[in-house]
Amino acid sequence: EVKLVESGGGLVQPGRSLKLSCAASGFSFNDYWMGWVRQAPGKGLEWIGEINQDSSTINYTPSLKDKFTISRDNAQNTLYLQMSKLGSEDTAIYYCARGGYGSYVDYWGQGVMVTVSS
Amino acid sequence: DIQMTQSPASLSASLGETVTIECRASEDIYSNLAWYQQKPGNSPQLLIYDANSLADGVPSRFSGSGSGTQYSLKINSLQSEDVASYFCQQYNNYPPYTFGAGTKLELK
Repeated sequence: EVKLVESGGGLVQPGRSLKLSCAASGFSFNDYWMGWVRQAPGKGLEWIGEINQDSSTINYTPSLKDKFTISRDNAQNTLYLQMSKLGSEDTAIYYCARGGYGSYVDYWGQGVMVTVSS
Repeated sequence: DIQMTQSPASLSASLGETVTIECRASEDIYSNLAWYQQKPGNSPQLLIYDANSLADGVPSRFSGSGSGTQYSLKINSLQSEDVASYFCQQYNNYPPYTFGAGTKLELK
């Protein structure tokens, strides 16, 4: 069974940084593109970015490129999202997603809430 | 970026009814379109990919169609468990992949 479990969310002050993790299991992690999608409270879905199997290609939504960094550790079957200079507009549920490189998301994590507030 | 215009924003329908949700892309996306269902409090789940292919385990009352810039999701014989929000997503031109704003489906 494919499982994606996010962690690392919580309350963070404006301007600070936070790093999310996504532990993958039930599939061969190093065979897949992976990505992150977020959803502000009561809003729609926003694609953040994706990373290929060996981390040689990472794509971002242009408006988020300067504050978010995606990485992965294939030995640990883990995907990461480093977020910096956080603002209230970054308050959202962050989903780990399997898929990318011109394809749909076939599996989603349960999501982790990030709240940016003083 | 490709813009995805989804309609309606909300929809109220009765059990057993047939429901259709539309998604229009700002340019041709060559059927590179997915539909997701998100039940309240849950993460999205894949329903349809490549515009008309049913994802594993999805009931056959769900179907997708369309081409070019116009796509639709149809739910036949609406069930209570279909109450959810539905989102379309294009994956033809990226980055970024873009989503429709969503359709909230409720029971009448």
